[in-house]
Amino acid sequence: DVKVTQSSRYLVKRTGEKVFLECVQDMDHENMFWYRQDPGLGLRLIYFSYDVKMKEKGDIPEGYSVSREKKERFSLILESASTNQTSMYLCASQSDGYTFGSGTRLTVV
Amino acid sequence: AQSVTQLDSHVSVSEGTPVLLRCNYSSSYSPSLFWYVQHPNKGLQLLLKYTSAATLVKGINGFEAEFKKSETSFHLTKPSAHMSDAAEYFCVVSDKRTGGFKTIFGAGTRLFVKA
Repeated sequence: DVKVTQSSRYLVKRTGEKVFLECVQDMDHENMFWYRQDPGLGLRLIYFSYDVKMKEKGDIPEGYSVSREKKERFSLILESASTNQTSMYLCASQSDGYTFGSGTRLTVV
Repeated sequence: AQSVTQLDSHVSVSEGTPVLLRCNYSSSYSPSLFWYVQHPNKGLQLLLKYTSAATLVKGINGFEAEFKKSETSFHLTKPSAHMSDAAEYFCVVSDKRTGGFKTIFGAGTRLFVKA
């Protein structure tokens, strides 16, 4: 069964910390995505990548960066976490349609 | 330009009655259309997809959707709701000409199922 795995289901971090959210897919997909999901705002695209070492900004990249050193792994980095980055983060990979991970609920205190 | 509108933020049905979740879209090209379901504290799961083949698309768990180009709609239906169908549903439009990168998610419709 194909899988997208996000390393943490729940995280609590302090303001100003550097946060890494990890995502791994086992489908050999080239395209991978990071979204955040907030009540009333739906899913918003942060960054995506269509190849190793390639990245493109989505709709809300500010305060985030990404890393794609290997095809199967796409990491989201919060350089200095802030309380407005408290959210559900969803990773996805894409072939014909998206396959999503289970999400990481991040709380920044 | 692309857009997707889910016409109802909440839908409530009784168990055993039909489900209708409405979605309208706009796209400058020939779109791919998807429905996803999200159960509480879970990721999104693909229910079904339309990619220019048959206009009536059957998905998992008894759901189906019909692509109506003249009405720019892609409504999701199920003949008989089950308690386990209670979840949030997202309609998604993807621009095939750009390889699917331009993807827009609807705001979601929360389905409540009453016993």
